[in-house]
Amino acid sequence: AQSVTQPDIHITVSEGASLELRCNYSYGATPYLFWYVQSPGQGLQLLLKYFSGDTLVQGIKGFEAEFKRSQSSFNLRKPSVHWSDAAEYFCAVGSYSGGGADGLTFGKGTHLIIQP
Amino acid sequence: DTAVSQTPKYLVTQMGNDKSIKCEQNLGHDTMYWYKQDSKKFLKIMFSYNNKELIINETVPNRFSPKSPDKAHLNLHINSLELGDSAVYFCASSQSFLSYNEQFFGPGTRLTVL
Repeated sequence: AQSVTQPDIHITVSEGASLELRCNYSYGATPYLFWYVQSPGQGLQLLLKYFSGDTLVQGIKGFEAEFKRSQSSFNLRKPSVHWSDAAEYFCAVGSYSGGGADGLTFGKGTHLIIQP
Repeated sequence: DTAVSQTPKYLVTQMGNDKSIKCEQNLGHDTMYWYKQDSKKFLKIMFSYNNKELIINETVPNRFSPKSPDKAHLNLHINSLELGDSAVYFCASSQSFLSYNEQFFGPGTRLTVL
């Protein structure tokens, strides 16, 4: 079965500093990978996704992520964070079984705190 | 225009009651999902429906019964509510379950069982 690990439960970053959130996945075939962001009291918004092709994907709000098959990783990066980036970030993997796409398997999330 | 909407946003009820959460998507998608987010913010798939047919049922107690009257709606009915059912429930939709696509999430329904 597929799984997603986000090793950092909390990360604190100063405003204007760079950010990297880690994500490792376990899945036997080519994964479909996603990063979602959840602001307090809100639903989930897709930041970016990787299906195939270029392993560096660009997303919304200045985020990017790099797929590294050899490391089973899909880390999220942003060169300069803003206070509004404070939120919960979820990495997810999509899989196939029974001829169709399954629901997403999520990591446990990383809570991002921005220091002024 | 809201793509995926859920009602109600908040639901507070007593143990043993029966309650429903409604979900509607106006994206023309074929597939809809219910996820549960627990108090530690862990998200887990519960059900998925494709064109009104159940596709995924992830070992959820049979007190939970999803119903899809048409492909734009997926409602979640919960019988005999228990304290452990307290969570945020998210509805989501995607274009089709036959190929992988982005899932669009609703704003969530926070259920509190007293």
